[in-house]
Amino acid sequence: AQSVSQHNHHVILSEAASLELGCNYSYGGTVNLFWYVQYPGQHLQLLLKYFSGDPLVKGIKGFEAEFIKSKFSFNLRKPSVQWSDTAEYFCAVNGWRALTFGSGTRLQVQP
Amino acid sequence: SQTIHQWPATLVQPVGSPLSLECTVEGTSNPNLYWYRQAAGRGLQLLFYSVGIGQISSEVPQNLSASRPQDRQFILSSKKLLLSDSGFYLCAWSAPDWSTDTQYFGPGTRLTVL
Repeated sequence: AQSVSQHNHHVILSEAASLELGCNYSYGGTVNLFWYVQYPGQHLQLLLKYFSGDPLVKGIKGFEAEFIKSKFSFNLRKPSVQWSDTAEYFCAVNGWRALTFGSGTRLQVQP
Repeated sequence: SQTIHQWPATLVQPVGSPLSLECTVEGTSNPNLYWYRQAAGRGLQLLFYSVGIGQISSEVPQNLSASRPQDRQFILSSKKLLLSDSGFYLCAWSAPDWSTDTQYFGPGTRLTVL
């Protein structure tokens, strides 16, 4: 069975600080990897995804993630966070027809 | 463009009462449909998915059931709610051919069982 681990449950940063959220997955086959974000009071929405090709993928709002196959990791990064990035972030892996989500990381950006 | 609707947005129900949550998708045909539950402090847990009318796969044995009476309608039900059924329920859809595997989520229903 596949699983996803997000190591940071709650992160507090000041504006302009750099962000890296960890995500590790466990799955024996080919995976598709996702980061979803849930802003306060809004739908869960796709931030970025990796299916194949360049392991460094860029998403919306300046976010990027790097797939490192040897480490089973798909960490999310942003060089300079803004107050509007305050949200909950979920890493997910799709092995067969369904997404397995991590427990989420709540990011709080202080102005 | 595709849209996904869920209702009700919030629900407070007593233990032992029945439940019916509805999800509908517009702008696409034969979508794959999903029900997830998000409990406080936890990630999203897949409950059911459906690849077509009347075709339901259950991921976790529980007090809930799902049905798909129409192509773009997905219903989550329970005959008798338990306290542990409280949570945030999300419906999602994806393209029928699994080509992208990207899932798109509805606004969710917050269920509180008292």
